[in-house]
Amino acid sequence: DQQVKQNSPSLSVQEGRISILNCDYTNSMFDYFLWYKKYPAEGPTFLISISSIKDKNEDGRFTVFLNKSAKHLSLHIVPSQPGDSAVYFCAARGAISSGSARQLTFGSGTQLTVLP
Amino acid sequence: EPEVTQTPSHQVTQMGQEVILRCVPISNHLYFYWYRQILGQKVEFLVSFYNNEISEKSEIFDDQFSVERPDGSNFTLKIRSTKLEDSAMYFCASSQNTNSYEQYFGPGTRLTVT
Repeated sequence: DQQVKQNSPSLSVQEGRISILNCDYTNSMFDYFLWYKKYPAEGPTFLISISSIKDKNEDGRFTVFLNKSAKHLSLHIVPSQPGDSAVYFCAARGAISSGSARQLTFGSGTQLTVLP
Repeated sequence: EPEVTQTPSHQVTQMGQEVILRCVPISNHLYFYWYRQILGQKVEFLVSFYNNEISEKSEIFDDQFSVERPDGSNFTLKIRSTKLEDSAMYFCASSQNTNSYEQYFGPGTRLTVT
């Protein structure tokens, strides 16, 4: 079951540069998307989200873009900092009518390493 | 900042034994969830709980699993007869209300079944 896919298992960027993490989904019933960050031995930490009726949401250094026609979203981090090094998960939520509005479907994650 | 807490951080049990994983959700949250992550695999949804009943559950959440909110603060996941394949990180999460889609996760309990 690959409803949410993160095709890049790892990404390395230089401190101060932009990090772009990508996510694709196949289920057209998803109506809300979230990004989580996870450090080793900790639970996922909520970062930023976007509704399917929007195409961009920004919060400080983090911006999420949604291309609904392509079923693609991306997380931009600018400028990247060494403390951003973590695994980033894309997650999606089903619409109320889908019967799966309370469950998040996660991607496999991308390990971001920000090099000083 | 309020956070979800989970105990124990690590539980080792023998196959066939019952385990109870405990969670204290954020105090004003109304929806509670359990997820698990088997080593090397994705985070998977198990169950959601609202108003003292299960609202959604996945195929993983079979008859050997149960959830309970025994008091005003705790939320528990019970596995009746553990199997080797139940070994995983179990995450509890909570969200505020019907209109709040963000779920806040606890640090997880690592369950090892031997």
